[in-house]
Amino acid sequence: GQNIDQPTEMTATEGAIVQINCTYQTSGFNGLFWYQQHAGEAPTFLSYNVLDGLEEKGRFSSFLSRSKGYSYLLLKELQMKDSASYLCAVTDSNYQLIWGAGTKLIIKP
Amino acid sequence: GAVVSQHPSWVICKSGTSVKIECRSLDFQATTMFWYRQFPKQSLMLMATSNEGSKATYEQGVEKDKFLINHASLTLSTLTVTSAHPEDSSFYICSARDAASGDTGELFFGEGSRLTVL
Repeated sequence: GQNIDQPTEMTATEGAIVQINCTYQTSGFNGLFWYQQHAGEAPTFLSYNVLDGLEEKGRFSSFLSRSKGYSYLLLKELQMKDSASYLCAVTDSNYQLIWGAGTKLIIKP
Repeated sequence: GAVVSQHPSWVICKSGTSVKIECRSLDFQATTMFWYRQFPKQSLMLMATSNEGSKATYEQGVEKDKFLINHASLTLSTLTVTSAHPEDSSFYICSARDAASGDTGELFFGEGSRLTVL
C-alpha cells in the first residue's frame, strides 16, 4: 500500500531551527510537496521537490532523497506565526496526490 | 499567484437540507479540481476528483449520490451535500491545478467551507 509517515507533533523554540521529516512508500514518484496549514484555514504551498537535493526558499528549505524515500522541511529563525501543521504530499505514478497526516508544530517563546 | 475562491466560507443548515459549495479558479483554467474533507485535528481526506465535462471520480467510501459534484466549466466546480446530517459537519476544501502545468503542478487551495449541520 501507499504510505507517508511524518511525526504527529513537534515543539520548538522561537528563533531556533526545526526539521520535519517525511518518509514515503508509494507506487512511483512524481514529486513531493510541502504545505503549511494554520488551524481552520486551507493549506498553502511551501515547496516542491522532484529531484534529489536541497531547495532553499527564504527561511524554509526542503530536501529530497528519492533513493531513500525521504524528505525533510527545515524551518530557520522560527517565528510564532510558524505554529501550524505541515503536510507532506507525494504524487505517485498515476499522478495521484497522497497526503501525510501532517505534523503539528508548536512554537514556544 | 493563482487564486481559488471557495464560497460560502461558513454555512449552518438544518438536518435533511442540501448545501452547495462553489469552487472557482479566478485567473487560470482548471480541467481538474479536487474536493477534500477535513475533520478536526486530522489531515485532508480526498473525497473526489472533479473533471471538467465528465463525471467525477469518487474515492472509496464516499457516496456519490450524497456528495454531488458538477464541473461544468474550466473555472467552476460545485459540491452539493444532499440531505445533510450532523455527521456531515466538517471543513470542506477544494483545490485546483492550472491546466497549463500538467499533472505535477502546484495545487492551489480554496479558503475552505465550514459546514455545520444542526
